[in-house]
Amino acid sequence: GAGVSQSPRYKVTKRGQDVALRCDPISGHVSLYWYRQALGQGPEFLTYFNYEAQQDKSGLPNDRFSAERPEGSISTLTIQRTEQRDSAMYRCASSFPPGELFFGEGSRLTVL
Amino acid sequence: QQPVQSPQAVILREGEDAVINCSSSKALYSVHWYRQKHGEAPVFLMILLKGGEQKGHEKISASFNEKKQQSSLYLTASQLSYSGTYFCGTEAERAAGNKLTFGGGTRVLVKP
Repeated sequence: GAGVSQSPRYKVTKRGQDVALRCDPISGHVSLYWYRQALGQGPEFLTYFNYEAQQDKSGLPNDRFSAERPEGSISTLTIQRTEQRDSAMYRCASSFPPGELFFGEGSRLTVL
Repeated sequence: QQPVQSPQAVILREGEDAVINCSSSKALYSVHWYRQKHGEAPVFLMILLKGGEQKGHEKISASFNEKKQQSSLYLTASQLSYSGTYFCGTEAERAAGNKLTFGGGTRVLVKP
């Protein structure tokens, strides 16, 4: 597609369940980033990839969070054993090469 | 560490000017500016690299003072379309990729 596509757009889950959030970047973009954005706040860096290699995961809050980009295109952010504090907008962005970030519309996660 | 943006909010009349500041306690390699409208994804405005470069985007321009680790965004002759939340994103010296740390945002409302 023309832009960064994320799915699902909305996810409501119960505490303790695992969730997987998907990001399809702009075709040909080398770098892919995951950010988390709380309401009224700026995006918070989680992790990023160049091609399939995870370059930096220092922003992942704890080991319940993981991300992969196995073929250097689509990426999945997985949150295991979700907690209420995980509720937020999760945004994916891509760029080629490092420079302007193109953000997706985000996946809004609500943990009950 | 998150850059500090000021002011937190500003209300303008169409045609008026405004300045948004972004300060960091760390040495910076670059400063990025994004605008986010309500319910939408952040959209790239410009990047400034260290060297005191000034850039422009329509009637929106910015400067970067690397000695002070500060950047300023100038909204000139504001238009209704300038309304939104402006975020600066900073990249630390020699950081790899676009690992941006975003400020808390400045909410701008332009009234007719």
